[in-house]
Amino acid sequence: GEDVEQSLFLSVREGDSSVINCTYTDSSSTYLYWYKQEPGAGLQLLTYIFSNMDMKQDQRLTVLLNKKDKHLSLRIADTQTGDSAIYFCAESKEGYQKVTFGTGTKLQVIP
Amino acid sequence: DAGITQSPRYKITETGRQVTLMCHQTWSHSYMFWYRQDLGHGLRLIYYSAAADITDKGEVPDGYVVSRSKTENFPLTLESATRSQTSVYFCATGTGGANVLTFGAGSRLTVL
Repeated sequence: GEDVEQSLFLSVREGDSSVINCTYTDSSSTYLYWYKQEPGAGLQLLTYIFSNMDMKQDQRLTVLLNKKDKHLSLRIADTQTGDSAIYFCAESKEGYQKVTFGTGTKLQVIP
Repeated sequence: DAGITQSPRYKITETGRQVTLMCHQTWSHSYMFWYRQDLGHGLRLIYYSAAADITDKGEVPDGYVVSRSKTENFPLTLESATRSQTSVYFCATGTGGANVLTFGAGSRLTVL
């Protein structure tokens, strides 16, 4: 079955770049996502990437996909205290509505 | 307001009691999902629904029942609550070709 793994915790200083990593096992994954969860709230989609892409950039966010190694990363440039949250990696397949989530990485930004 | 509404937001109950968590959406999205969030496990899918009157099991369906008589509502029932069902429950809807999910704010359930 599908499995998505992430490290549990990351701490960075304000202004530095953050890199959150994720590995997945299902080679047929079509979509890979990053969701953000702020305290006491539900998950919000940050960005997603198609499996035929290597990179996607959206303002301060850069997503890198290494399909050969089944590795996905999220880079946040100029990390701010408002970026403190839990970040979830997720994957799904085309035509298959179930989305599998990782355990989440808690990002702590130190002022 | 448009969106997903979950109720109650917080619930404390006792072992053996029946509990229903409600989920209501205003968009008429076809797909609806129930996930539970537990430390160390991330989000795990309990049940999902492709349309009214169509439901299917997810990864952890035991102890839960769902129904979907109307497109906009997807209640989750714990028929006889157990302590292991203490969790935060999230309802989500899905639409579009990229399977993007939109989540409710969550319902925190404590079973004593």
